[in-house]
Amino acid sequence: EVQLLESGGGLVQPGGSLRLSCAASGFTFSSYAMSWVRQAPGKGLEWVSVISGSGATTYSADSVKGRFTFSRDNSKNTLYLQMNSLRAEDTAVYYCAKAQGSGSVYYGMDVWGQGTTVTVSS
Amino acid sequence: DIQMTQSPSSLSASVGDRVTISCRASQSISSYLNWYQQKPGKAPKVLIYTASSLQSGVPSRFSGSGSGTDFTLTINILQPEDFATYYCQQSYTAPLTFGPGTIVDI
Repeated sequence: EVQLLESGGGLVQPGGSLRLSCAASGFTFSSYAMSWVRQAPGKGLEWVSVISGSGATTYSADSVKGRFTFSRDNSKNTLYLQMNSLRAEDTAVYYCAKAQGSGSVYYGMDVWGQGTTVTVSS
Repeated sequence: DIQMTQSPSSLSASVGDRVTISCRASQSISSYLNWYQQKPGKAPKVLIYTASSLQSGVPSRFSGSGSGTDFTLTINILQPEDFATYYCQQSYTAPLTFGPGTIVDI
């Protein structure tokens, strides 16, 4: 079964750091780009980042540039999101999602994790 | 960055209705437009990809159309399980922006 399982969420103070993980199973992880998408409480979906299958290429939303770092370990089938200098507005459920097309993001995201909650508050 | 808008922001419908949701991109995105359904407390689920391709396992009452900047999601014969929020998302170029969502409620 194709599955994504996020972990690492929690409560952190403003200015703090947190690392999220997304463990993948049931597919050839290295063949697919992976994204992070977040959703603030009561708000819509916000795309955060995408990383290529090899990990060599990443793109991110302006709202997180310079603060968030995206990586993957294909030997461990795991995606990472390192979040630094966290702000209250980063409070959200963070989802990892798999690109549907091998080597391409054009065909949407077909597998999503259950989400992990990040709360930034003092 | 490409901005995505959706209309309406919410709509009320009844079981058996035909529902249409519009999505507009701020510039041409060819057919790289995807539709997602999200229910409260759940992860989104892809319904339609590349504007008109029905995702495997998704009921055929869902359909998508459009290209360039204007797109439509249609739900024929609305079912009780279709009451949810629907998002469009462009996958033409990063940032892969979502629309603000359309709430379909009773």
